[in-house]
Amino acid sequence: DAGVIQSPRHEVTEMGQEVTLRCKPISGHDYLFWYRQTMMRGLELLIYFNNNVPIDDSGMPEDRFSAKMPNASFSTLKIQPSEPRDSAVYFCASSLANRGGSNQPQHFGDGTRLSIL
Amino acid sequence: GNSVTQMEGPVTLSEEAFLTINCTYTATGYPSLFWYVQYPGEGLQLLLKATKADDKGSNKGFEATYRKETTSFHLEKGSVQVSDSAVYFCALSDSYSSASKIIFGSGTRLSIRP
Repeated sequence: DAGVIQSPRHEVTEMGQEVTLRCKPISGHDYLFWYRQTMMRGLELLIYFNNNVPIDDSGMPEDRFSAKMPNASFSTLKIQPSEPRDSAVYFCASSLANRGGSNQPQHFGDGTRLSIL
Repeated sequence: GNSVTQMEGPVTLSEEAFLTINCTYTATGYPSLFWYVQYPGEGLQLLLKATKADDKGSNKGFEATYRKETTSFHLEKGSVQVSDSAVYFCALSDSYSSASKIIFGSGTRLSIRP
């Protein structure tokens, strides 16, 4: 089975440029999560969606960050304009909904390593 | 609020040594508990989980027991291998929520010497 697919795997760009990260969740999953991982701050939840609807975006650091999920099989995380402090590894994860008291694990993609020069 | 605290790394061991990575949690209700592992250059993968008190999760020689009385979920392995070198994350999920939102610990980097 295909897992969560993220693209690109690596992105290097200059500050001020727009960056778009892409994610294809596992088919049939109800939830999609975007995380950011840095050495200093660890793993941070940025935003998550349920059935394509954003539920909690309180982790999005600034208005420069935006995320969309136009359909069940695709999501984007956009940074505009990008800054050097946005350099990090960005992960997408998806999961089924918890049902009958069973807590579902999240399945992670391999991440996008973003470097803003 | 819910939170997870795990021992700081890095942890460096020799091959075949015994491993313990401590994890404690704070939560209301009865959360499910997880250990995730992150190998270099990859995303997090579920290693094992436990959904209720006294449950033992196990996988690939790793074990962790859900201890409600001590609010702990320590990860153990009897004999580690070089291939176990990775970052390990303890995590919990609120059992009362339909969302599988997971709260992660800060991660513990494990290095195994040949």
